[in-house]
Amino acid sequence: EAGVVQSPRYKIIEKKQPVAFWCNPISGHNTLYWYLQNLGQGPELLIRYENEEAVDDSQLPKDRFSAERLKGVDSTLKIQPAELGDSAVYLCASSLGDSTYNEQFFGPGTRLTVL
Amino acid sequence: GDSVTQMEGPVTLSEEAFLTINCTYTATGYPSLFWYVQYPGEGLQLLLKATKADDKGSNKGFEATYRKETTSFHLEKGSVQVSDSAVYFCALSDLNNNNDMRFGAGTRLTVKP
Repeated sequence: EAGVVQSPRYKIIEKKQPVAFWCNPISGHNTLYWYLQNLGQGPELLIRYENEEAVDDSQLPKDRFSAERLKGVDSTLKIQPAELGDSAVYLCASSLGDSTYNEQFFGPGTRLTVL
Repeated sequence: GDSVTQMEGPVTLSEEAFLTINCTYTATGYPSLFWYVQYPGEGLQLLLKATKADDKGSNKGFEATYRKETTSFHLEKGSVQVSDSAVYFCALSDLNNNNDMRFGAGTRLTVKP
């Protein structure tokens, strides 16, 4: 079974440019997460989807960040315009959304460098 | 709110040494607890988990016991190998908080031959 797929793996852009990250979750996983991981830190949740609905986006900086999950499968996270401080690893994860406990499966991440 | 505090790194050990990485948590409910491992250039992988008090999670020689009385979930391994070099993250997931995952800052382990 394929794991969570993310692309691109690396992205280098200049500040003020737009950038987009793509995630394909594990087949059958209804819940999808985007995390931000700064260097030397643990992941921090940006947004959580249940199917196509964003049920928790309280940590998403909505002035420049946006996300979508059309048809409740793949998801795209966008930054426009990017700032120097956005340099980080962006992780996507998915889970079955089981109510007992929440085992999340992570993709390899996209490492963004903003120059 | 919920939070996880784990031992600061980096930790450097010789091969076959005993490993302990401390982790304590704060939660309003009864969370599930996890240890994730991140090898260089890879995403986080679930190492082990425990879903209720006194449960012991184990995998690949690593163990951690859910201690409700001390709100801890320390990671241990009796004999580390060079291949265990990675960053280890303690995390919790709380049903009272939408099952959102809270991670510690991570502890980098380097094992030398």
